[in-house]
Amino acid sequence: GENVEQHPSTLSVQEGDSAVIKCTYSDSASNYFPWYKQELGKGPQLIIDIRSNVGEKKDQRIAVTLNKTAKHFSLHITETQPEDSAVYFCAARGQGAQKLVFGQGTRLTINP
Amino acid sequence: DTAVSQTPKYLVTQMGNDKSIKCEQNLGHDTMYWYKQDSKKFLKIMFSYNNKELIINETVPNRFSPKSPDKAHLNLHINSLELGDSAVYFCASSQGPTSWETQYFGPGTRLLVL
Repeated sequence: GENVEQHPSTLSVQEGDSAVIKCTYSDSASNYFPWYKQELGKGPQLIIDIRSNVGEKKDQRIAVTLNKTAKHFSLHITETQPEDSAVYFCAARGQGAQKLVFGQGTRLTINP
Repeated sequence: DTAVSQTPKYLVTQMGNDKSIKCEQNLGHDTMYWYKQDSKKFLKIMFSYNNKELIINETVPNRFSPKSPDKAHLNLHINSLELGDSAVYFCASSQGPTSWETQYFGPGTRLLVL
């Protein structure tokens, strides 16, 4: 089955700097890769997703890149702000698969 | 309006007890899920229902039994609670069960077994 590895487990950056979180997946048939943000005491919320037919997707300060050959995808947050502090999860889902497999999570802290 | 709601938000109980967690979604979705998040934040699916039919049943002890009375509700009943059941349980829903349907999560139920 699918296995998703996420790094780093913790990340601390200065406000205004960029943050990058990386994930690798094992199933070459996976075709959907969402990223979720979980704030303290809340459930995960989708912030951006990418399908396997594109290599990059951007939404304001957030972007996701996908390298299907290497089976890895990354989340990029630019001009970080204090409200970006949260735990971020990547996930992958195979074609025809009925479940998302999540990475271990990255705790991102933005230092003012 | 709350899209996916869960009750209770906190649940503290003794080992051996039986408890239930309720979930409701008002998004008109066909598919609902239960996830378990352990103390290390690892998020793992437990069950999924589509149109009240069970479609995902991960390796979960028989003490956990989901029930979907209708498409908008998915409840989780846990028998004979154990210390290791302490975790945050999230309900989620999606339009359908296909690959790229966005999943919307509830706020979670924090279960502590003493």
